[in-house]
Amino acid sequence: EVQLVESGGGLVQPGGSLRLSCAASGFSFSNYWMTWVRQAPGKGLEWVANIKQDGSERNYVDSVTGRFTISRDNAKNSMYLQMNNLRAEDTAVYYCARGGLAAGDGFDIWGQGTVVTVSS
Amino acid sequence: SYELTQPPSVSVSPGQTASITCSGDKLGNKFAYWYQQRPGQSPVLVIYQDNKRPSGIPGRFSGSNSGNTATLTISGTQAMDEADYYCQAWDNSLWVFGGGTKLTVL
Repeated sequence: EVQLVESGGGLVQPGGSLRLSCAASGFSFSNYWMTWVRQAPGKGLEWVANIKQDGSERNYVDSVTGRFTISRDNAKNSMYLQMNNLRAEDTAVYYCARGGLAAGDGFDIWGQGTVVTVSS
Repeated sequence: SYELTQPPSVSVSPGQTASITCSGDKLGNKFAYWYQQRPGQSPVLVIYQDNKRPSGIPGRFSGSNSGNTATLTISGTQAMDEADYYCQAWDNSLWVFGGGTKLTVL
């Protein structure tokens, strides 16, 4: 079964850090772009970052550039999101999703999400 | 930065056709994608590359994209189609989502 499972969410104080993980199974992870998407409470979807198959290209939404780092370990079939200097507005459900062979392919597989709450 | 605009809400009667629009500058020159999100669930891709359906998506879902507007059409709408729908496009190495449309099946 093709599956993505996120972990690492939790409650963190403003200015703190958190590392999210996404474990993939059931498909050839190294063949696909991967992405993080978040959804603030009661709000719409917001794309956060994506990473190329070999990690050589990474893109970020402006609001997280310089604070978040996306990475992947193809040997472990896993993707990560290191989040530093967290702000209240980063509070959201964070989903990992599978892209395609090309950067502009949509997201056909989604995880169940992990909740990040930034609050003092 | 690129923006996609969707109506906040659309209502439809069961069995009728629902159309949800997504507007963006020269959107027709890009591929449009559509996602369905039921309450408490993760999004599901329902249309990719303007008008293609992933396996498992019912044939009543269709899409089009021309000019500045992409449209998701649901024919013979069912109660189970009640959900939030988001359009998406790739622009200048960044992904953009529309604000979402809540589809109500009355």
